[in-house]
Amino acid sequence: EVQLVESGGGLVQPGGSLRLSCAASGFTVSSNYMSWVRQAPGKGLEWVSVIYSGGSTYYADSVKGRFTISRDNSKNTLYLQMNSLRAEDTAVYYCARDSKEGSGWYPEYFQHWGQGTLVTVSS
Amino acid sequence: DIQMTQSPSSVSASVGDRVTITCRASQGISSWLAWYQQKPGKAPKLLIYAASSLQSGVPSRFSGSGSGTDFTLTISSLQPEDFATYYCQQANSFPPGTFGGGTKVEIK
Repeated sequence: EVQLVESGGGLVQPGGSLRLSCAASGFTVSSNYMSWVRQAPGKGLEWVSVIYSGGSTYYADSVKGRFTISRDNSKNTLYLQMNSLRAEDTAVYYCARDSKEGSGWYPEYFQHWGQGTLVTVSS
Repeated sequence: DIQMTQSPSSVSASVGDRVTITCRASQGISSWLAWYQQKPGKAPKLLIYAASSLQSGVPSRFSGSGSGTDFTLTISSLQPEDFATYYCQQANSFPPGTFGGGTKVEIK
């Protein structure tokens, strides 16, 4: 069974840093497209970043240059390093895995999600 | 980037009603569209991918249609467990995986 468990959220001051983790089980992180998606309180979903199975990484313009996505294959864990945090980064952060339905692979859709971890940026 | 616009932003309906939600892309995305359901305090759940393909385990009362710029999600007979917020997501130019603003389905 595919499972994703996020951790690392919390309260941080503006300008501070935080590293989120997403521990995966039931599949291999490095064989899939893994994304971070966030949701500000009472707001909609916003895609943040993705790491491809080949290692390429991409970011939303709103976090480019401040956030870094990475993975540790030995720990089967995905990370999001967040620096220079701003109030507008306050959100629940979800990690999400691509979709494999039958024999098809749909890397751009998010089939599996973690429970989310709350990041609050405030002084 | 491609923008996704959902309408309505909220809809009030009764159990048994047919509910239709619309999603419009700012440019053509072929059939590269997904629909998600999110309940309060929970992670989103993939319902429909490739505009009209039903994710395994999703009830057949959910259906998706459309291509190009205009898409719809239809719930043929609303059930109590369907009251939630629904999001569309384009996958034509990924990344980014742009989401629509959401449609909240509320009890009438």
